[in-house]
Amino acid sequence: GESVGLHLPTLSVQEGDNSIINCAYSNSASDYFIWYKQESGKGPQFIIDIRSNMDKRQGQRVTVLLNKTVKHLSLQIAATQPGDSAVYFCAENIHNNDMRFGAGTRLTVKP
Amino acid sequence: DGGITQSPKYLFRKEGQNVTLSCEQNLNHDAMYWYRQDPGQGLRLIYYSQIVNDFQKGDIAEGYSVSREKKESFPLTVTSAQKNPTAFYLCASSPTGAGYTFGSGTRLTVV
Repeated sequence: GESVGLHLPTLSVQEGDNSIINCAYSNSASDYFIWYKQESGKGPQFIIDIRSNMDKRQGQRVTVLLNKTVKHLSLQIAATQPGDSAVYFCAENIHNNDMRFGAGTRLTVKP
Repeated sequence: DGGITQSPKYLFRKEGQNVTLSCEQNLNHDAMYWYRQDPGQGLRLIYYSQIVNDFQKGDIAEGYSVSREKKESFPLTVTSAQKNPTAFYLCASSPTGAGYTFGSGTRLTVV
């Protein structure tokens, strides 16, 4: 079946730099996308979401970009901090609450 | 405060034993889900329930059972038929058409 995937399993950035985490999805019918952050030993936490009628959405220090033409989703974190170190998952809503999750990207922030 | 609570945080199971993981939410969400997460891997859907007294198998339901007698509660039983139960188990809930809220997880270990 169709699934969500990630370009990179790990990402290491310097504190203060911007981070970009990418996600490819293959289901063109998906209408809702979410980024989650998961710290070690904890459940995933909602970061930001975007619906398919938008191509950009901004939160506090985070921006999600959606490119439906190439089925690509990205999460940008500005001025990355040590507390941002975690695994980041993208998720797509296939239909009616059927969410599919990517494998995740581990972000490491170097001091 | 509204939220979703999983208990216990850590659980140990002996060979051939059934164990039940608790998941309770006071968010008034209709849908609830159980996921399994293995080290370095993404989330795999075990069971989900869109409404009270109804539930469906996910991708890896074998060796697991659930019930949904109340809107607030969605317990997961890991039976002796599950041959490799050691994993991190996550419960989630959602309103229709929106993202998931996750619990803090239960780490199950076979001893």
